[in-house]
Amino acid sequence: GAVVSQHPSWVICKSGTSVKIECRSLDFQATTMFWYRQFPKQSLMLMATSNEGSKATYEQGVEKDKFLINHASLTLSTLTVTSAHPEDSSFYICSARDVIQETQYFGPGTRLLVL
Amino acid sequence: AQSVTQLDSQVPVFEEAPVELRCNYSSSVSVYLFWYVQYPNQGLQLLLKYLSGSTLVKGINGFEAEFNKSQTSFHLRKPSVHISDTAEYFCAVSEAGTASKLTFGTGTRLQVTL
Repeated sequence: GAVVSQHPSWVICKSGTSVKIECRSLDFQATTMFWYRQFPKQSLMLMATSNEGSKATYEQGVEKDKFLINHASLTLSTLTVTSAHPEDSSFYICSARDVIQETQYFGPGTRLLVL
Repeated sequence: AQSVTQLDSQVPVFEEAPVELRCNYSSSVSVYLFWYVQYPNQGLQLLLKYLSGSTLVKGINGFEAEFNKSQTSFHLRKPSVHISDTAEYFCAVSEAGTASKLTFGTGTRLQVTL
């Protein structure tokens, strides 16, 4: 149990295009999901907290207009990187919080390369 | 707010030897504690967690950790490591009883060699 999927697992795009990443909790409902960014050989940096049916809460320094988050259902949150630039290239990881288990479960990550 | 310190950025160890990965935390409130493992180019996998109860927690892959409130520590141990345990290990803390976010340590790279 407690499986979280992410799609796509990797994406290459041209500068200026938008990229959407999906995060799904497969066997539990998640009112809260989280989006992280990870640079090589570093820890995870929380970007935003995604709440089902309401606006996301962004961490300081994260541009909400650039990283659009939608949490339309109890099993799906999406992150859209708008007008992507090479500096947005990174490994993006989502997690979903299982309220019963009091635990965050992580997706496998999405590697984004912007050319 | 909470903080987590993983003092060892890298821990080299021979196969079948024991290992301890250290984690200390700081918090003014009760906390939940977690250890996650990350293999290359993958997400994080939960190894074990402490929410309440017994301070000795057993997890997957033969790992265990002990919550020590007086020393604000949650060290991860394994009595005999395998090559396949080579990975990045993250300690994380969250405020107990809430839907608060996780605060991660900087990670410890466990390198197991023959």
